[in-house]
Amino acid sequence: DIQMTQSPSSLSASVGDRVTITCRASQSISNYLNWYQQKSGKAPKLLIYSASSLQSGVPSRFSGSGSGTDFALTISSLQPEDFATYYCQQSYGTPRSFGQGTKLEIK
Amino acid sequence: QVQLQESGPGLMKPSETLSLTCTVSGGSITSYYWTWIRQPPGKGLEWIGYIYYSGSTNYNPSLKSRVTISVDTSKNQFSLKLRSVTAADTAVYFCARGAYHFDYWGQGSLVTVSS
Repeated sequence: DIQMTQSPSSLSASVGDRVTITCRASQSISNYLNWYQQKSGKAPKLLIYSASSLQSGVPSRFSGSGSGTDFALTISSLQPEDFATYYCQQSYGTPRSFGQGTKLEIK
Repeated sequence: QVQLQESGPGLMKPSETLSLTCTVSGGSITSYYWTWIRQPPGKGLEWIGYIYYSGSTNYNPSLKSRVTISVDTSKNQFSLKLRSVTAADTAVYFCARGAYHFDYWGQGSLVTVSS
């Protein structure tokens, strides 16, 4: 099975900050990496698929990068609605697997 | 706009069989893969498995011996059965569209297993 490890597990930041969350796979997964945002009590929302493709309707301040084993999600200028938990997910093999999550909190 | 809605029991006893149905509206269930994912309270996401509209399936090996996912194209629904539940199966269960990435999700259905 492919293990996904996110860092950091939690992060405090301010509105307007640039933030980067990283995700590492236990083996190469090419660009089969997706990012989700989850707010409390809600379903996850797809932000980025195939490592760097922005899902329709997602603001352009969100971007993804990486390939192989190392990936990143960057939010260029944090907005109040961005404070949430973020998950990476690999779609290279089955079972599909998620990172443990990064909780982004207001400083 | 595609919408997914889970329906299920809410509260169950150990050893029972969990049955959840996901109803798809605003689009056809055909030509897509459909997935079940769960999230224990306060924890991360676990992929359970997916089904193609034609009926082919792929399950998480950690659950494979207890899981069955089925599809009913005439009702635009797909379903999850999880046998012999324990407290460890207490979670919010989500249905979603896709096999690689998941672009539409249901709101989630909390299933609590308790004696």
